[in-house]
Amino acid sequence: LAKTTQPISMDSYEGQEVNITCSHNNIATNDYITWYQQFPSQGPRFIIQGYKTKVTNEVASLFIPADRKSSTLSLPRVSLSDTAVYYCLVNRYGNKLVFGAGTILRVKS
Amino acid sequence: GAGVSQSPSNKVTEKGKDVELRCDPISGHTALYWYRQSLGQGLEFLIYFQGNSAPDKSGLPSDRFSAERTGGSVSTLTIQRTQQEDSAVYLCASSLMGGGPQDTQYFGPGTRLTVL
Repeated sequence: LAKTTQPISMDSYEGQEVNITCSHNNIATNDYITWYQQFPSQGPRFIIQGYKTKVTNEVASLFIPADRKSSTLSLPRVSLSDTAVYYCLVNRYGNKLVFGAGTILRVKS
Repeated sequence: GAGVSQSPSNKVTEKGKDVELRCDPISGHTALYWYRQSLGQGLEFLIYFQGNSAPDKSGLPSDRFSAERTGGSVSTLTIQRTQQEDSAVYLCASSLMGGGPQDTQYFGPGTRLTVL
């Protein structure tokens, strides 16, 4: 399964744009990249998924370069409520998500 | 519509007792998954159901763990003779189709199991 590497933690301030980059050097042709958000005492919440180039939804944008060996989750104008753990996953078979340690994002006022 | 629900939300048991954890997936989702998350750790896959069949049980940590799914809907995870290392949050997820890299899994709130 494709291994992912992302920063352990990041700090930001309210109103700023936050970019979290994940590397996945051994991504395979059919793999998709998925990001989840998790608040304390809750299950992970799906944020966004992509295969290549750029995907945008009402919550975030996902940038994937042509070689697909990395991806960047972009959160526009974060607020205190965006403080959470963010997980980058490479979806290969869909039936078994492999979660790494994630990135702890702390948003300060 | 309603999301994935799990019950109980919290369970405290004594070492050696059996416990049952329940998951109600999103209506119409054919695939169902169980994970567990130990304190401060990432999620660990346990088992995957497609309909009522479990094609992937590779994550079950021991034969004390079992799961079933009935009617293509509700699933029960059973832990027999619980041990303290079983203490964790047990998360259930469901997805529409299962088995494909685009299939999105939606998680429930989890059951926090504490084994004393």
